[in-house]
Amino acid sequence: AQSVTQLDSHVSVSEGTPVLLRCNYSSSYSPSLFWYVQHPNKGLQLLLKYTSAATLVKGINGFEAEFKKSETSFHLTKPSAHMSDAAEYFCVVSPQRSASKIIFGSGTRLSIRP
Amino acid sequence: GAGVSQSPSNKVTEKGKDVELRCDPISGHTALYWYRQSLGQGLEFLIYFQGNSAPDKSGLPSDRFSAERTGGSVSTLTIQRTQQEDSAVYLCASSTSPGELFFGEGSRLTVL
Repeated sequence: AQSVTQLDSHVSVSEGTPVLLRCNYSSSYSPSLFWYVQHPNKGLQLLLKYTSAATLVKGINGFEAEFKKSETSFHLTKPSAHMSDAAEYFCVVSPQRSASKIIFGSGTRLSIRP
Repeated sequence: GAGVSQSPSNKVTEKGKDVELRCDPISGHTALYWYRQSLGQGLEFLIYFQGNSAPDKSGLPSDRFSAERTGGSVSTLTIQRTQQEDSAVYLCASSTSPGELFFGEGSRLTVL
């Protein structure tokens, strides 16, 4: 069975400081992992994806995530937060055997303080 | 079009009325998904299409909900006899690679 847990429902950081959004997953098979971002009143947009190539994945807008199999984690980071990063972030696991059983985490709301 | 298009963007209806929500996916995307997002909540899977068939409709919450896809392209989600608990944002996504979804901006449904 697959599952994904976002450890923080809300994260608040100051502009210019690092961002860490935590995600743990559970999967019986080698999963594909994704981070999506949702700005207010918008659809979700793919930030980055891990599909068993490099464990450190770089995405758009300066975000990156590291796949750690031993810790079953896929945390999202950014060295320096920008006001425009304020949004909801979703960690997603997609089992390779089933296109429909995509599992979304509950989301982490990122707030940026000026 | 360049992205996934959904219409209407906003729909206000009275309890008991039927509504239709439309999704126009990215051209060539064979997979299409419908999700529901209630206020402050995560995404709830509704149905998955591969081409015109729906191999997974396990997320449809009741028999008031149905969806179809024609020509391997446009999909319509129909909610009959709407209830207040149906109020949510309905998101459509299309894809060519499992997990890599392209979302529309959603249809916000309000049932009075």
